[in-house]
Amino acid sequence: DTGVSQDPRHKITKRGQNVTFRCDPISEHNRLYWYRQTLGQGPEFLTYFQNEAQLEKSRLLSDRFSAERPKGSFSTLEIQRTEQGDSAMYLCASTITSSITDTQYFGPGTRLTVL
Amino acid sequence: GENVEQHPSTLSVQEGDSAVIKCTYSDSASNYFPWYKQELGKGPQLIIDIRSNVGEKKDQRIAVTLNKTAKHFSLHITETQPEDSAVYFCAAPQAGTALIFGKGTTLSVSS
Repeated sequence: DTGVSQDPRHKITKRGQNVTFRCDPISEHNRLYWYRQTLGQGPEFLTYFQNEAQLEKSRLLSDRFSAERPKGSFSTLEIQRTEQGDSAMYLCASTITSSITDTQYFGPGTRLTVL
Repeated sequence: GENVEQHPSTLSVQEGDSAVIKCTYSDSASNYFPWYKQELGKGPQLIIDIRSNVGEKKDQRIAVTLNKTAKHFSLHITETQPEDSAVYFCAAPQAGTALIFGKGTTLSVSS
């Protein structure tokens, strides 16, 4: 078990550019979550997948954001036309089943800085 | 939707003292309450959780208590050590989908 991995760990981009992050969940984990965390705040839910199906999106997920989990394994989160307000840590978590009481295992996060 | 409030935002204790962090939640239907520890540069890690059918759970120096009537739950750390220094988050589920987190408590344990 290698844990949840995220790539890249850090990303610096200029306003208006597109960025894509990748999350590899723990093997055989069916549910995958994306959260955003800004300085001094707790993680905020963005979206989640059950296998390859995206089941819920937060209102925080504007239409510039898109997430995919094409084969039910790894997931990508893309932000188009980045804004300075997008600067944050983007966290991925996975659980083995669809139960909300299952432990969510978090990755180390991708820190995005938009200049 | 669920709302979680966490206090205090910062907590400083001497090594060996106890630390208590409290959270309140709004949705009386919530039935699962995890606590996460986040160290610098890392993602949150679950340290203990409690389900609504019990009032207290212990794991070595860490305990969580739940008061469903008052809709609050607390994390208790005894015999604190410098390695307990981190940011701690409480959470509660929103409509059985994702977790809603508190704003965090920065715990500093000085030796």
